[in-house]
Amino acid sequence: DTAVSQTPKYLVTQMGNDKSIKCEQNLGHDTMYWYKQDSKKFLKIMFSYNNKELIINETVPNRFSPKSPDKAHLNLHINSLELGDSAVYFCASSQVVAGGVKDTQYFGPGTRLTVL
Amino acid sequence: GENVEQHPSTLSVQEGDSAVIKCTYSDSASNYFPWYKQELGKGPQLIIDIRSNVGEKKDQRIAVTLNKTAKHFSLHITETQPEDSAVYFCAARRGGSYIPTFGRGTSLIVHP
Repeated sequence: DTAVSQTPKYLVTQMGNDKSIKCEQNLGHDTMYWYKQDSKKFLKIMFSYNNKELIINETVPNRFSPKSPDKAHLNLHINSLELGDSAVYFCASSQVVAGGVKDTQYFGPGTRLTVL
Repeated sequence: GENVEQHPSTLSVQEGDSAVIKCTYSDSASNYFPWYKQELGKGPQLIIDIRSNVGEKKDQRIAVTLNKTAKHFSLHITETQPEDSAVYFCAARRGGSYIPTFGRGTSLIVHP
């Protein structure tokens, strides 16, 4: 009965490789997000999708490409991995409730990416 | 844009003591203030939130207070227990926005 799930939990790879992280939510939410958490625990928004449409794209290198095949999934593909990409990546989801009010975000367990 | 300052960055207390974490925000249009708890190796989890039409909210041992005039809000944990040890994040979000602005987190350590 996991609400927001991510795979894999750990990802260790060499510089220059391409990798993907998958995210799924079973909450029926219409909005999904990707966050990057650095070693100092700072949470930085990367992308947000609402009903499969990109609504927020912060200043993220174009090596990062999110893909949303349906409302329940938002995957993150990263090309040409660099040392600075090492971090914990969190997927989250939320729902617009009555009156256009945005409900709170629910986070997944995170994917620890280590680039060697 | 919104700026959220969170203090202290580290807080160490004895079991049974109270803990208070404070945040200030800059955007007067912010109207939603969630607090998240992140345990080691896990994602942030919502523990309590408050909207700008309310000054205080309680849930068992945790409470949040909001002062809209001064633009600050605080998390209060009473009778702390070792399992309260975690990183706590405050956040502020303006009406109509999907994305909250997070504080930099407070590492709370509760010593048995």
